[in-house]
Amino acid sequence: AQRVTQPEKLLSVFKGAPVELKCNYSYSGSPELFWYVQYSRQRLQLLLRHISRESIKGFTADLNKGETSFHLKKPFAQEEDSAMYYCALSNYGGSQGNLIFGKGTKLSVKP
Amino acid sequence: GAGVSQSPSNKVTEKGKDVELRCDPISGHTALYWYRQRLGQGLEFLIYFQGNSAPDKSGLPSDRFSAERTGESVSTLTIQRTQQEDSAVYLCASSLVFTGRHTGELFFGEGSRLTVL
Repeated sequence: AQRVTQPEKLLSVFKGAPVELKCNYSYSGSPELFWYVQYSRQRLQLLLRHISRESIKGFTADLNKGETSFHLKKPFAQEEDSAMYYCALSNYGGSQGNLIFGKGTKLSVKP
Repeated sequence: GAGVSQSPSNKVTEKGKDVELRCDPISGHTALYWYRQRLGQGLEFLIYFQGNSAPDKSGLPSDRFSAERTGESVSTLTIQRTQQEDSAVYLCASSLVFTGRHTGELFFGEGSRLTVL
């Protein structure tokens, strides 16, 4: 079954420290993975997708098919990075068409 | 506005009553999704529309839940005979589909917070 696991509910780091939000997935096909972010009092929005291989707001994520992981990383956390982060797996194919989300990790960056 | 619009933003109802939640997607977005987020939980997929057909209803938790969509526009999610466990934030999202391929970028509304007493 398709599944996304984010093992940490809460991650707290100090400003300037490296941060890694973990995401593991279970998918039988060729996965497409995404990170979504929800800042306080804002809508859930796309942060980055693995096929773009982009860096957004200093964040990167590499798809590791061997470990079935898509961890989100940033070398130096900023206070404005504090938010809820959701890892998501596309489930498009046949009659299915949705993103499967993990339960989310709340990142708190302390001054 | 240009974003996904949901109404009502807050709804308090009594157990056993029916509720209707509305979603106005971004103009031109053919795909529309409903998700549910219970307190402290992740996003739970409910239903997906492509145009006005629903090829994936796999997430609807019971037959008390139904949804419809008019053309490639407004969608309503109806919950009949509400129960306390239906209390959650109901999120709607829309996205573009290019030549049958989903972009994977969902644009979310602010959600409708439902409280069943």
